[in-house]
Amino acid sequence: NSKVIQTPRYLVKGQGQKAKMRCIPEKGHPVVFWYQQNKNNEFKFLINFQNQEVLQQIDMTEKRFSAECPSNSPCSLEIQSSEAGDSALYLCASSFRASSYEQYFGPGTRLTVL
Amino acid sequence: GDSVTQKEGLVTLTEGLPVMLNCTYQTIYSNAFLFWYVHYLNESPRLLLKSSTDNKRTEHQGFHATLHKSSSSFHLQKSSAQLSDSALYYCALSRSSNTNKVVFGTGTRLQVLP
Repeated sequence: NSKVIQTPRYLVKGQGQKAKMRCIPEKGHPVVFWYQQNKNNEFKFLINFQNQEVLQQIDMTEKRFSAECPSNSPCSLEIQSSEAGDSALYLCASSFRASSYEQYFGPGTRLTVL
Repeated sequence: GDSVTQKEGLVTLTEGLPVMLNCTYQTIYSNAFLFWYVHYLNESPRLLLKSSTDNKRTEHQGFHATLHKSSSSFHLQKSSAQLSDSALYYCALSRSSNTNKVVFGTGTRLQVLP
């Protein structure tokens, strides 16, 4: 069973507000992924880290999100100015490696932007 | 770039009938790994199956899939559906390299009726 911890489970924000969510990966997993699961249940890759370094991110994340994975602290994903279209389930996953290994998912943070 | 196609958005069938969820993929690389993840309501997505070598069947919890590189497919099958199999199923592609990326299909919702 996955031991990835995500907080908070639910987050409600107004448009324009910041929205921050956190993830503690499984112990010993150096790679962390963030995905957005939209209302059509599609997984949209946002960003991934290996240790504290960003490996890859999409354009949207680069412009409107800030994310980090500091050592000895939870990883975080923050939307700088929330939009209605950001309402989704944000899933964090961790892995031994960035590719070819299975990912272990957390339960997600459900963000609602009013 | 790499892509994964899951043709069916929703599959509805009666308990006891066989299950087949389609997954095809595109990559120019030969070292592809395919995964099936299952996402039950209010739980974390988790790995169901990971591909082995070409034309070799992998099995877990009554489900099985065979990687066929000739047809770029990794269809998920089960001989007899159970009510508890109702969930979202995602096919995903990764490569054994430092590409740092896992590509998910759009998901198939399996609904098993009594």
